[in-house]
Amino acid sequence: QKEVEQDPGPLSVPEGAIVSLNCTYSNSAFQYFMWYRQYSRKGPELLMYTYSSGNKEDGRFTAQVDKSSKYISLFIRDSQPSDSATYLCAMTRGDYGQNFVFGPGTRLSVLP
Amino acid sequence: EAGVAQSPRYKIIEKRQSVAFWCNPISGHATLYWYQQILGQGPKLLIQFQNNGVVDDSQLPKDRFSAERLKGVDSTLKIQPAKLEDSAVYLCASSLDRGTGSNEQFFGPGTRLTVL
Repeated sequence: QKEVEQDPGPLSVPEGAIVSLNCTYSNSAFQYFMWYRQYSRKGPELLMYTYSSGNKEDGRFTAQVDKSSKYISLFIRDSQPSDSATYLCAMTRGDYGQNFVFGPGTRLSVLP
Repeated sequence: EAGVAQSPRYKIIEKRQSVAFWCNPISGHATLYWYQQILGQGPKLLIQFQNNGVVDDSQLPKDRFSAERLKGVDSTLKIQPAKLEDSAVYLCASSLDRGTGSNEQFFGPGTRLTVL
């Protein structure tokens, strides 16, 4: 079993739809959870991070963490064509010298 | 504020040749990371520096890969000799300090390596 799993997609939705992106993980020591967006031929950029379980909202984006199920989600409301990208979840234990682990990414296409 | 700079952007070499990548992090960022991203996969951390000391190189194939960060600023990643499976995008990232979830990593555009 891979340490972090993510549906690779591609996921195609119409403009304005609500998008749900998910990751599962196996290491219960992970404490920090992040979502990165990566456009084609660019480096990833941080969208959101959460510490431990709970929800966090930032504009059209909501991140959820359920540590008991080892499951994290990113919701995008009112999706736009500019949201078309690959979305990577990432997580870490958070202690000094810890290793960041990225999921394989989900390709999202928002169709106008 | 200038971002993370990387060069070259693209490199094509033949197997068994050597190659080097350069990274200039954001000014003042103490932590620097090198990642390998194979097509269709997420980035895999190769090495993490805190200033000019190595914090984590557990996934660096040390028989062929080496990295240094002299004076705690710029960094170079070298592959010698290259193998076909090294074809990937090599991403450099930096963060202000230790890179926990509350300490954002800023990524450069990457160097796309093709090994023939």
